[in-house]
Amino acid sequence: AQKVTQAQTEISVVEKEDVTLDCVYETRDTTYYLFWYKQPPSGELVFLIRRNSFDEQNEISGRYSWNFQKSTSSFNFTITASQVVDSAVYFCALSEARGKTSYDKVIFGPGTSLSVIP
Amino acid sequence: DVKVTQSSRYLVKRTGEKVFLECVQDMDHENMFWYRQDPGLGLRLIYFSYDVKMKEKGDIPEGYSVSREKKERFSLILESASTNQTSMYLCASSLPSDYGYTFGSGTRLTVV
Repeated sequence: AQKVTQAQTEISVVEKEDVTLDCVYETRDTTYYLFWYKQPPSGELVFLIRRNSFDEQNEISGRYSWNFQKSTSSFNFTITASQVVDSAVYFCALSEARGKTSYDKVIFGPGTSLSVIP
Repeated sequence: DVKVTQSSRYLVKRTGEKVFLECVQDMDHENMFWYRQDPGLGLRLIYFSYDVKMKEKGDIPEGYSVSREKKERFSLILESASTNQTSMYLCASSLPSDYGYTFGSGTRLTVV
């Protein structure tokens, strides 16, 4: 069965510190997708990244970086030099890839609440 | 800018009422979804639709129904609201095989 675990329920950091949000997933599929979403206090989830199971290259986007390791079934998210605007709930998610004609179910983790203190 | 709009931000209803939550997207997306979000449980899928008049149960469909008469609109219906349906409800849409969802801002429903 598919499962996404985010062991960190809440994290607090001081502004400008680096922070890593952990995500561990379980799936029997060889083809799958992993995602990160951000939910600021306004409530709307914002798509951050999608990574497919065949691409283990790390990705960097500005202050954000993602480390995908199939060997440990992890897809961790690091924010460098955190800012107050990074305060949000972050969700990791997993999707099977069944093909274009089928719905690809997305399983969300429980979320990690990040507070960046000025 | 693409958008998913949920009609109400906050809603308070009484136990036993029939409740309609509306969601409209302007992106011509085929897929639409309703999730509920509860602390410590993340997002759980209630229902989804991959085409007009098509609907599929998600993980927690009990007590809910949906309607999709037009491609852009996906409604969630609580037939007889109960206090355990107090939650944040999130609507999302996507293209087929486009795995990045676009979410609405959510409706925080309180059933008293």
